[in-house]
Amino acid sequence: KQEVTQIPAALSVPEGENLVLNCSFTDSAIYNLQWFRQDPGKGLTSLLLIQSSQREQTSGRLNASLDKSSGRSTLYIAASQPGDSATYLCAVREDSNYQLIWGAGTKLIIKP
Amino acid sequence: NAGVTQTPKFRILKIGQSMTLQCTQDMNHNYMYWYRQDPGMGLKLIYYSVGAGITDKGEVPNGYNVSRSTTEDFPLRLELAAPSQTSVYFCASSYSHRGHEQYFGPGTRLTVT
Repeated sequence: KQEVTQIPAALSVPEGENLVLNCSFTDSAIYNLQWFRQDPGKGLTSLLLIQSSQREQTSGRLNASLDKSSGRSTLYIAASQPGDSATYLCAVREDSNYQLIWGAGTKLIIKP
Repeated sequence: NAGVTQTPKFRILKIGQSMTLQCTQDMNHNYMYWYRQDPGMGLKLIYYSVGAGITDKGEVPNGYNVSRSTTEDFPLRLELAAPSQTSVYFCASSYSHRGHEQYFGPGTRLTVT
């Protein structure tokens, strides 16, 4: 059974730092992987979607990488800002079915 | 476009009561989903729909029912609410099942006491 893990559960860094969030999954037979941002009291916003054939995707200050063979993805945030404070979740879509399997998220706090 | 809208935003139910969570999307997406998110956990799929008139169970369907009479609407029905159904419920939609992003509503926070 696919399991998705995000470590650490929480992270606090000073403004301006570059940082990396981690996502690992147990079954490498995935179709794609998505990173989402969740703000308190709001829904989830899709940040980046990486297809299984891709190694990375970039959007502005965000860069997500995917290593299927090792079951890992990272979300790199450059020059962090207080507005980046949120919970970041990753989810994998398996080859075998249509469901997204979710990690529990990393709560990120950027200190001014 | 309003995207995905959900009502209500908050609700408190007594054990054994019933209610319907509403979800509407205006993006003409065929695929719609209901998730629940418990504190400190990832989302779990309750039900999904691939088009009007077609629904299927997800990972945690017990205690819930859905219907899909139109492309736009995908209500979730809770019958005989239980404390274990206390959670935040998210509705989502997408253009396709696999290769496209899912768009989420703002969520409904439900407490059953």
